[in-house]
This record gives sequence, structure tokens and C-alpha cells, in this order.
Amino acid sequence: QVQLQESGPGLVKPSETLSLTCTVSGASVSSSYCYWTWVRQPPGKGLEWIGDIQHTGNTNYSPSLKSRLTISLDAPKNQFSLNLNSVTAADSAVYYCACSGNYWGQGALVTVSS
Amino acid sequence: EIVLTQSPGTLSLSPGERATLSCRPSQSVNSGFLAWYQQKPGQAPRLLISAASIRATGIPDRFSGSGSGTDFTLTISRLEPEDVAVYYCQQYLTSPYTFGQGTKLEIK
Repeated sequence: QVQLQESGPGLVKPSETLSLTCTVSGASVSSSYCYWTWVRQPPGKGLEWIGDIQHTGNTNYSPSLKSRLTISLDAPKNQFSLNLNSVTAADSAVYYCACSGNYWGQGALVTVSS
Repeated sequence: EIVLTQSPGTLSLSPGERATLSCRPSQSVNSGFLAWYQQKPGQAPRLLISAASIRATGIPDRFSGSGSGTDFTLTISRLEPEDVAVYYCQQYLTSPYTFGQGTKLEIK
């Protein structure tokens, strides 16, 4: 059973960088088992696909976020991470990490506010 | 970018009834690279169906998926109160792997 857990600050100031880490158990981020994925959901709204990374390090990003987004792997720690810079209030959301669509973390609420 | 349009926006039915949810991609999603998710309030999404029609592990056979190209359907054959949720479709044929806007299912 693959389990994922998001971690990171719950409050980020405007113009700063939002950084989240997803810790994986039950599978290796170095395997081809999943596309390691980030999805977000603004309060009261629908799901938005952010991007993913494969075990090779290849990434796919949402075009609307691509200029501000980096997704990376940390194989020794069995983690993958999201960095989104120059954030605004529109980036406030619950951020989910997922193993393709099969397994999901519980989600981390991130609020962008001064 | 493939846009997914889900209908209806909200569906209100009684227990035991049949629910039919639609997902229409703006471009053909070949080979059924389409998934359905259930999201209950305060919870993460849960995979119901992948490849348009394959139930995920542990999903009751009341849930079924069908369709191809630009017309996909999620059917819940006998509604139970626990099925109250928002249902999303997602295409994973072409990046960005977009979601539909969701259908909210209410039980009368």
C-alpha cells in the first residue's frame, strides 16, 4: 500500500516561494511505479493539475504555472517536492501529492497572506 | 490543452436510483486515457475508474465507466447515501492532465 504525506508551511507571504514536500512510503520514487504528481484545490473549487515528475527526472508542468514552478525528486529521502515562486492569494489552496491518480496524500492547506 | 466539460453541474436523486454523469473532452481522448474520481467533503479524491472503464481496487460494482473519444459516462447503478460527493473526470492522454469542473451528487 502506497502512502503519501505532504509537509510544509501553512502560511506563505505574497511574492515569496511556496515549498512543499511529499514523503512516500510503500513505493520508491526511483521506480517507474507512478508519475509523482501535484494537484491543488482552492477553497470551494475544483481540482487543478499542477504537474508531475517521473523517476527519470522528466517533468510535465501546467502551462499556466510553468514559469513559476519546479518539481524535483529526492531519491535518498524517498520524497518529491514542489516549489512555486512569486505566489499571490490566487495560489491559496489545498495541495495534494499523488502517485499518478491511484494514491493520494491527505492534502496540505497553504494560505498566501501577509 | 484538452478541456473536459462535465454535466450536470448538480444531480439530486433518491436512494436506489441510477445516476448518470457525463464527461465530454474538447478533443478525442483515444485509448480511454480517462479516469473518474470521487471526492467527499474534507477528503482527498479517490480513484474510482481508470482507462475509462476499469474499476479501481475495492470500488463496488455499482460504479461503472464507459465511453470513448469525446463522450464518457460514469454510472452509479443503485445510489446509496454514502455516494454523496463531487465526482471529477480527468484525462491523462496529453499533458496538462486536466480535470473536469466536477458534478455534485446529492441524495434526496
